[in-house]
Amino acid sequence: DAGVTQSPTHLIKTRGQQVTLRCSPKSGHDTVSWYQQALGQGPQFIFQYYEEEERQRGNFPDRFSGHQFPNYSSELNVNALLLGDSALYLCASSLTVPPGLQFFGPGTRLTVL
Amino acid sequence: AQSVAQPEDQVNVAEGNPLTVKCTYSVSGNPYLFWYVQYPNRGLQFLLKYITGDNLVKGSYGFEAEFNKSQTSFHLKKPSALVSDSALYFCAVSKSGGYQKVTFGTGTKLQVIP
Repeated sequence: DAGVTQSPTHLIKTRGQQVTLRCSPKSGHDTVSWYQQALGQGPQFIFQYYEEEERQRGNFPDRFSGHQFPNYSSELNVNALLLGDSALYLCASSLTVPPGLQFFGPGTRLTVL
Repeated sequence: AQSVAQPEDQVNVAEGNPLTVKCTYSVSGNPYLFWYVQYPNRGLQFLLKYITGDNLVKGSYGFEAEFNKSQTSFHLKKPSALVSDSALYFCAVSKSGGYQKVTFGTGTKLQVIP
């Protein structure tokens, strides 16, 4: 079992550009959550996907959007990048039942110049 | 709104001594509580969780945590610290039941001194 995988590992973009990050959940997991972790901070919840629908969202602007595919993999899209979007983006997968336990991927380090 | 407080940015402990990393939470209703550890340039690794039942929860690598409802605390403990325990520790909370978002604390850096 490969666990949760994310791609790419690192990414450098400039302000105003758009970025897509990808996540493959742990085998058998049906729920994917995305987090933003700024340097020196704890992960901040962006949103969660289940059955290809967004079912929970944190306090992030509409520039952040996502998608879940039938195989449960997921993408995080960020439009009109700002310098403040520079962070480690973490994907976590879990089962809806029982709730709570999430397995995290290694993250994608996004740098916006 | 739910929240987690980790009052110590850093905890230093000598190898072989007991360690405690503090966490208090705020959530409406019954909580689900978690501890995760993060090593440099790595994702978060699950240590333990409290869902229901016994207030003392045992987890990976010899760690344990005690749920205290009256004090709204969930402190992480280990009887004897190892140098390899040095890492960043995060406490997290969600509401119980169904699918709920998880809120993390700001993290505590644990430094175990040889």
